[in-house]
Amino acid sequence: QQQVKQSPQSLIVQKGGISIINCAYENTAFDYFPWYQQFPGKGPALLIAIRPDVSEKKEGRFTISFNKSAKQFSLHIMDSQPGDSATYFCAASPSGSRLTFGEGTQLTVNP
Amino acid sequence: NAGVTQTPKFRILKIGQSMTLQCAQDMNHNYMYWYRQDPGMGLKLIYYSVGAGITDKGEVPNGYNVSRSTTEDFPLRLELAAPSQTSVYFCASSYFGQGGNSPLHFGNGTRLTVT
Repeated sequence: QQQVKQSPQSLIVQKGGISIINCAYENTAFDYFPWYQQFPGKGPALLIAIRPDVSEKKEGRFTISFNKSAKQFSLHIMDSQPGDSATYFCAASPSGSRLTFGEGTQLTVNP
Repeated sequence: NAGVTQTPKFRILKIGQSMTLQCAQDMNHNYMYWYRQDPGMGLKLIYYSVGAGITDKGEVPNGYNVSRSTTEDFPLRLELAAPSQTSVYFCASSYFGQGGNSPLHFGNGTRLTVT
């Protein structure tokens, strides 16, 4: 019930392409869905987050798409750049409670 | 403004040894957390604290202890190191709890190897 399943585990994209990372959850009490970005040797940092009252949120080249009925959400990175190469974690939590993290996706953007 | 500072960056322990991972934050955050990160496993919560003097267990607390005597500091203690504790440890803080408009601020981690 508390799991968040993330896929793929690793992803290689060419510069300028679209990177898509997917997450699925079971707990219908989850109402906060952030994505964290982690560069090598650093801690994760909040990238973008969404609540289930909207189906999409966009910040620059990064977009979260949310499908409440399917209990899935995804991160889309448009015009992917080598500087986007990092590990991405999705997460979810019920309001005010602790986050459950996905397993992580290692993204490599080739120049 | 340093944010969340973790020391040491790297450490090698022998089985059975003890050590304390240090974590300090200068953002006056109430909530502090310890996570471990293993390849392909995401981030698992070890312990957390909602304020000075208050701590509670997370998902994977066995083999660890914490204390929170001040708002700024949240050390993690390993009493009898085991190979299963080989991992990267992250300390994090947030002003409110983890949901909503209160992002986690992470340190840069401590890479621990137990041999």
